[in-house]
Amino acid sequence: QKEVEQNSGPLSVPEGAIASLNCTYSDRGSQSFFWYRQYSGKSPELIMFIYSNGDKEDGRFTAQLNKASQYVSLLIRDSQPSDSATYLCAVKTGNQFYFGTGTSLTVIP
Amino acid sequence: EAQVTQNPRYLITVTGKKLTVTCSQNMNHEYMSWYRQDPGLGLRQIYYSMNVEVTDKGDVPEGYKVSRKEKRNFPLILESPSPNQTSLYFCASSLWAGGDYNEQFFGPGTRLTVL
Repeated sequence: QKEVEQNSGPLSVPEGAIASLNCTYSDRGSQSFFWYRQYSGKSPELIMFIYSNGDKEDGRFTAQLNKASQYVSLLIRDSQPSDSATYLCAVKTGNQFYFGTGTSLTVIP
Repeated sequence: EAQVTQNPRYLITVTGKKLTVTCSQNMNHEYMSWYRQDPGLGLRQIYYSMNVEVTDKGDVPEGYKVSRKEKRNFPLILESPSPNQTSLYFCASSLWAGGDYNEQFFGPGTRLTVL
């Protein structure tokens, strides 16, 4: 059983703060790691992907990967109320994708 | 517009009545997949397809069938639906499954209720 674990939250941060979302995975053979955002009642949309150890930055978002610790994180800088959503961590292992249960983020104006 | 479409968007049916949920993509993607999303369980992969006539089981394939006769279409078939298949279903596609980067594009979802 390949598992992806996330804190379900809810996580609340004030507007302008940094939101930190975490994810661990169980299969050391996992190759690629993705963060999706899902607004209530909508389908998931990709925010970031990462497959090498270290940090990857894209605008206000930074993904961090530590394969030795089997840990992926997403930092959202200067959080905005529009960032309020559920964030899904996904892992690609072989030809399959495994998703965490998601972390609910609320950004308080 | 590049997109993944699903039909129907909402469906209420009764136990045992066969149904098909259609999925179509216009991006010439090789990889297509079906997921179900349940509270507390997240998105779970039901079936996936690497290309035409190539399908494989995901984590929760029991009670479902798929086919991939054309590259653009990947229908999900429930031959005898049961109440435990009540869920929100998403179809997704990506260019291919090889390599490290595989952005999946998701359809709008199908909310299925089995009474």
